[in-house]
Amino acid sequence: QSALTQPASVSGSPGQSITISCTGTSSDVGGYNYVSWYQQHPGKAPKLMIYDVSNRPSGVSNRFSGSKSGNTASLTISGLQAEDEADYYCSSYTSSSTPWFGGGTKLTVL
Amino acid sequence: QVQLQESGPGLVKPSQTLSLTCTVSGGSISSGSYYWSWIRQPAGKGLEWIGRIYTSGSTNYNPSLKSRVTISVDTSKNQFSLKLSSVTAADTAVYYCARVGIYYGGKRTPTYYFDYWGQGTLVTVSS
Repeated sequence: QSALTQPASVSGSPGQSITISCTGTSSDVGGYNYVSWYQQHPGKAPKLMIYDVSNRPSGVSNRFSGSKSGNTASLTISGLQAEDEADYYCSSYTSSSTPWFGGGTKLTVL
Repeated sequence: QVQLQESGPGLVKPSQTLSLTCTVSGGSISSGSYYWSWIRQPAGKGLEWIGRIYTSGSTNYNPSLKSRVTISVDTSKNQFSLKLSSVTAADTAVYYCARVGIYYGGKRTPTYYFDYWGQGTLVTVSS
C-alpha cells in the first residue's frame, strides 16, 4: 500500500490562491468521503484543517476549502498569507479500514 | 478542551522495545465516538499511521508494523499506550498520539479524521 500522492512543493504570493492535490485510488480517496487535510508548522503537531472532503472545523479560516473529483482530492487556500507557509498533508480512510497519509506538500509564500 | 500528552523514554537501544503512553485530559477516553491513535514522523519526512484502539480494546494496526506493534488502553487512567518491539534506527521518529473522530453530531454521522494531537515526543533508537 502506497501513500497518497501529493506534489512535493507549491508556492504562491500573498493574496493569491493555491491548490494542493492528493491522488489516491478507488480504494481510498475515490471510495470514501473521509478525506482530511492537516497543516503542520515546523516543530509543531499537525492541525486539522478540513474533514470529510470539504468541512471546516470550528476556528479554521474560510480561506481554506476542500473538494474531490474521482480519485483526487484538493485543498485550496485563497487570499494566501505569510502564516499559511507550512507543510500540508492529506489523509484518507481506506478499504482496509485503515487511514493513509499523503507524502506532504511544502507551501512557500513568496 | 481536549488535550493529549505523550510520555516515555527518549532513547531506546536497538532490538529493545519502545514504550510510550498518551494521557488524555478534558475528555473521556471511553467515549464511543472516537478511536485513539499513534502516528509517527521521521525527521524531515511524512506522517506514518501506526495503529489505533477503541475504548473496548479493539485494535487495528498498519500492516507494515503489525508484527511489532501493540496498543493498549487503560480507561481508569484515561490513557492509551504504544509498544513497538525489536526497534532499529529506522524507528527513530517523533511519535504523536491523536484522537480520531469516527462519528459526529446527534445522528452519529460516520467520519474519520484526527482532530486532537499531542505535541509529539522524539524517540531515538541508538546504542
